[in-house]
Amino acid sequence: GAVVSQHPSWVICKSGTSVKIECRSLDFQATTMFWYRQFPKQSLMLMATSNEGSKATYEQGVEKDKFLINHASLTLSTLTVTSAHPEDSSFYICSAREGSGVNTEAFFGQGTRLTVV
Amino acid sequence: GQSLEQPSEVTAVEGAIVQINCTYQTSGFYGLSWYQQHDGGAPTFLSYNALDGLEETGRFSSFLSRSDSYGYLLLQELQMKDSASYFCAVPNTGFQKLVFGTGTRLLVSP
Repeated sequence: GAVVSQHPSWVICKSGTSVKIECRSLDFQATTMFWYRQFPKQSLMLMATSNEGSKATYEQGVEKDKFLINHASLTLSTLTVTSAHPEDSSFYICSAREGSGVNTEAFFGQGTRLTVV
Repeated sequence: GQSLEQPSEVTAVEGAIVQINCTYQTSGFYGLSWYQQHDGGAPTFLSYNALDGLEETGRFSSFLSRSDSYGYLLLQELQMKDSASYFCAVPNTGFQKLVFGTGTRLLVSP
């Protein structure tokens, strides 16, 4: 199957600083990428949908100024958590689709565990 | 919108068969997928049902009944490595996003 690489796999940062997470599709072009957030023992909650060359579409309740998403190319999307606070500590996962059909499989990055201290 | 409900936890022993249910409410339906996620890992795709009936892939099978808005994942010959969280998921109209169920934590004991 297709490979989605997410980096870093874990990061610890100080409160008030910003953290950038990268998501790359290694062997396919992803016109759409998705960013999820997952708290321990809970489901994946979609944060935003990232389309190459256009502004991301954020889910209700997600602060777009806090979670900056850039999809600069067909193989790279980034999520920047700005002015991070301890409550932003979570597991962040990106996902990408290889095609556009309704039964197209979604491939996931390995996730980034963010800890804000 | 979409909502998908699953049991929070299921326990079973090695070699047994377990069924994980998913009931959904969607505005438009474009198929039901199942994903497996081990602790600290990424979700991995298991199966997809667009039509009613049973889809079999090795030890895992998935069933869908569109009239009942219900599906299930059947895991046979359980192994310890099957201990993980399992999520059903549906795409919204246009597949602009994948909405995940509440998730079921499967614990397999010796």
